[in-house]
Amino acid sequence: SQKIEQNSEALNIQEGKTATLTCNYTNYSPAYLQWYRQDPGRGPVFLLLIRENEKEKRKERLKVTFDTTLKQSLFHITASQPADSATYLCALASDSNYQLIWGAGTKLIIKP
Amino acid sequence: DADVTQTPRNRITKTGKRIMLECSQTKGHDRMYWYRQDPGLGLRLIYYSFDVKDINKGEISDGYSVSRQAQAKFSLSLESAIPNQTALYFCATESEGRLTGELFFGEGSRLTVL
Repeated sequence: SQKIEQNSEALNIQEGKTATLTCNYTNYSPAYLQWYRQDPGRGPVFLLLIRENEKEKRKERLKVTFDTTLKQSLFHITASQPADSATYLCALASDSNYQLIWGAGTKLIIKP
Repeated sequence: DADVTQTPRNRITKTGKRIMLECSQTKGHDRMYWYRQDPGLGLRLIYYSFDVKDINKGEISDGYSVSRQAQAKFSLSLESAIPNQTALYFCATESEGRLTGELFFGEGSRLTVL
């Protein structure tokens, strides 16, 4: 069956360090993968998209990698700040219908 | 003002009642979606619409119906609410051009069915 998995345990990181979140998938042929940020009581907000033929994408302090061999995307936040604390969702669009399938999200806590 | 507005933001109702959640958008997007979010689960697609005359079932459409009244408005109805429909519901929009595939979400409607 098709699955997309994110670490369900909260990730605690010291301010200033790099936070790395993982998104793994099985039984998908991906067209692209997206990362979103969700704050408590708010809707998800788009951060980055990476296509299946791209290895890496960057935006300011954010970096996303996509390894279709490992079936994994890594999301990095460098020089992390307490304001980066949120839940981060990954979503994958298959190349068959482009509908997004969502991970459950990983809660990131940046401690001062 | 928010680009994607959902009403109501919170609603408590009883089993068997009919409930409508409304979504309006000012982004001018043709594509609109309804998702539900439950703790520990990813967002699940209920219905989606690519234009006013187009309605499509998503992964979990049973027990729900939708209406696309205009390009800017997409409503979700629960004809006879049941407790396992207690969840956080999100409306989202997407530009027809798939350059980014980015979804724009509303703030959510928290529904509790007693």
